[in-house]
Amino acid sequence: DQQVKQNSPSLSVQEGRISILNCDYTNSMFDYFLWYKKYPAEGPTFLISISSIKDKNEDGRFTVFLNKSAKHLSLHIVPSQPGDSAVYFCAAKGGRNTGGFKTIFGAGTRLFVKA
Amino acid sequence: ETGVTQSPTHLIKTRGQQVTLRCSSQSGHNTVSWYQQALGQGPQFIFQYYREEENGRGNFPPRFSGLQFPNYSSELNVNALELDDSALYLCASRAAGGSGANVLTFGAGSRLTVL
Repeated sequence: DQQVKQNSPSLSVQEGRISILNCDYTNSMFDYFLWYKKYPAEGPTFLISISSIKDKNEDGRFTVFLNKSAKHLSLHIVPSQPGDSAVYFCAAKGGRNTGGFKTIFGAGTRLFVKA
Repeated sequence: ETGVTQSPTHLIKTRGQQVTLRCSSQSGHNTVSWYQQALGQGPQFIFQYYREEENGRGNFPPRFSGLQFPNYSSELNVNALELDDSALYLCASRAAGGSGANVLTFGAGSRLTVL
């Protein structure tokens, strides 16, 4: 039962261009969404998040968009930099009545930013 | 502010053996959870501990067990190891409430290989 799906295993982008990473979810009770970034030999680190009451959240070069009707969110990175090359995980949490204690992760998308 | 530290970083066991993995939570965090990340997949929730008690569990068998200590450090124990238990085991801590309650801080993980 894969409730959070990242259908693109990898993405390659030229430095300076926009990177768009996509994520779909199936559980309409999720009320908080997060993106984590993971470098090799390190644990995932929090990048940006969005509550289900919003449709956009921006933090510097990173913007997350949420489309609740489509159960879809995306992460935009503009401009992309070689240091952004990493695996990006989409994650979701539900309220207390949906097992809100756990965070559910997608399989990840590996981003390559070419110099 | 110290982060989440895990030990050991790598270990090799044989099928049927038992393993204990250790984790020190980030300062100020009183909730710890453990995740299993198999190759090519996202982290899968094993269980969560709060105030030294398990208060949430994912789809893992009882041979996966844990402990949380008064100083909020934690252990993951796996008995009767199987080949499929080979994975990266991630420990994550978070605050129990407030604005940081939704964000996990991960350690670098313990990579377990079962032969």
